[in-house]
Amino acid sequence: ETGVTQSPTHLIKTRGQQVTLRCSSQSGHNTVSWYQQALGQGPQFIFQYYREEENGRGNFPPRFSGLQFPNYSSELNVNALELDDSALYLCASRGGPSYNEQFFGPGTRLTVL
Amino acid sequence: QQQVKQSPQSLIVQKGGIPIINCAYENTAFDYFPWYQQFPGKGPALLIAIRPDVSEKKEGRFTISFNKSAKQFSLHIMDSQPGDSATYFCAASNFGNEKLTFGTGTRLTIIP
Repeated sequence: ETGVTQSPTHLIKTRGQQVTLRCSSQSGHNTVSWYQQALGQGPQFIFQYYREEENGRGNFPPRFSGLQFPNYSSELNVNALELDDSALYLCASRGGPSYNEQFFGPGTRLTVL
Repeated sequence: QQQVKQSPQSLIVQKGGIPIINCAYENTAFDYFPWYQQFPGKGPALLIAIRPDVSEKKEGRFTISFNKSAKQFSLHIMDSQPGDSATYFCAASNFGNEKLTFGTGTRLTIIP
């Protein structure tokens, strides 16, 4: 286990709704990244947060947004859900002595109907 | 644009065999190449990583071979076991940059 936790485990939403996913980073890690993993694909980088600021973004529209809190936990918000948003959403944290290593949580499985 | 190409898509090997998974990258700025293992229902777990200043790195039964001129790297699993059955992803990034670019994954099955 990496010490990175995510909630909820599973979520079902309908098109047009909004969703918030949560991540608690590993102790001592101050950087959190979010990835989207479609079925049968590799994870795709959404964005990263460092010290409560967005610090790097992948090719995702603005309806994907996030927050990082002073305790380094993080949220991913997705507005106006589309069917193609159905995926496993992964949070990864890094920091500490092995600064470059990213440790992934178990993910949140989002299904959009 | 896919910047990391991974093959094969799936692989079946007998116990004790040496599965080999290959990746090729395009972006010459990449200088950090990790491999992740993912079991169903779990997040990816870091197995081993290499930087381009060495051509090979071993950790336990896992070995990365790296060919900088060809922009290719591969994962070898020695003495493979049924418990190694999982999906394996290669990835690449700029060292110190959080944005990992992943390959499409290889579903490995080790049969007894």
